[in-house]
Order: sequence, then structure tokens, then C-alpha cells
Amino acid sequence: SQQGEEDPQALSIQEGENATMNCSYKTSINNLQWYRQNSGRGLVHLILIRSNEREKHSGRLRVTLDTSKKSSSLLITASRAADTASYFCATAIYNFNKFYFGSGTKLNVKP
Amino acid sequence: DTAVSQTPKYLVTQMGNDKSIKCEQNLGHDTMYWYKQDSKKFLKIMFSYNNKELIINETVPNRFSPKSPDKAHLNLHINSLELGDSAVYFCASSQGFRGKTNEKLFFGSGTQLSVL
Repeated sequence: SQQGEEDPQALSIQEGENATMNCSYKTSINNLQWYRQNSGRGLVHLILIRSNEREKHSGRLRVTLDTSKKSSSLLITASRAADTASYFCATAIYNFNKFYFGSGTKLNVKP
Repeated sequence: DTAVSQTPKYLVTQMGNDKSIKCEQNLGHDTMYWYKQDSKKFLKIMFSYNNKELIINETVPNRFSPKSPDKAHLNLHINSLELGDSAVYFCASSQGFRGKTNEKLFFGSGTQLSVL
């Protein structure tokens, strides 16, 4: 299937450390997006990277995309306790607004 | 103002019942979606509507029937509820449709459905 798969499933770090999450997918994409889900809430869009881009930054977030390996990574620098959440990658296929998600990486940032 | 709102937030019901979840967006978006998040947090698309027209139906049992009275509303009606329907259901919207390369989703806060 088209779905993204995040790795690791869970990650626990200390405040101030960097957190890296990975996403792999299976077929050609239009773009790849990262979302955050706080416990009991809906997903919130963080960042979008197009298939012709290799790296993108937004504040403390850095996303890379390697279309040859069909993978992406999300780096959160200088993590904070408020970054504790689940992080999902979503792949969007060409010509349709069809977004496929995985099961996320659960990040716990300890104060 | 909440951009994408869905009601109810919690829904507890018995097997065999029929229930509805409502969703409204005030973003002026043309496309709305229903997603199902299972107990392992896997998020799966169910339906998508663009300007009241069904454009995505991901082999969902026909006990699930979406209804879009206008482009700001997308409701989900579920007949003959089964135990396996227990999940969190999310409504979402996005600005447009085909060909756009920068579409992103705006989600509601979810409806936790528990079928007993």
C-alpha cells in the first residue's frame, strides 16, 4: 500500500536533546508532510516537503526527503517537554488529494 | 473559532445501533475527509468529498454512509454498529482538489466511538 511507516514507534529523550524520526513509503509521491498529534487531539500540520526538494526547515524542525530511498526524516532540535506528542508522516500521491498516514512515532520529552 | 469541529467528542453505544457523527469546517475549504484511527494509532482514510461530491471511498463497508449537505459539512452515519467499529474518527478538510501540490489537512479533534 501507499502508507508511510514511521520509525521508531516510540522515542524517549531528555529536554534539550535532538529527536529524529524516520518515515519510509512505497510508491511515487507528490509531497510528504509531517503532522503532530497531542494526546486526545486531532493532527496538526507541521511541515510539507515537495518531491523535488531535499531539505526544509521551519523553526526547530528540519525535514529531509530522499526520493531514491523513499524515505524522510524529521529532526526536532533542542526538544522541549511541550514537544511530547505523536508524530506522523503523510504521503500525498499525484493528482489526488489522497493522504496516507502510518501509525506514528510517539515522542516523550522528559523535563 | 474552531476551524474543523466535530460532534460528539465521545460516543458510547451498543452493538447493532445506528449513530451519526457531524463535522463542520469554517475555513472555506472545498474538500473534506473522514479518517479512522485504530487502537494502534494507525490513521486510515475512509472517504473524501469535494464540493459535495464523493471522490474517495476506500473500500469501507456500506454500513458507513457519508453525507455532505454542503461543502462546509460532512457527516458520517454508521448503521448496525459492530465491535470492530470502535475507534477514533477524525474529520479533516483541505483547500482544494486535484493538481495542487501544497495541500495540507486541517483536522477536527476526533470522536471516540466505543461499541459495547
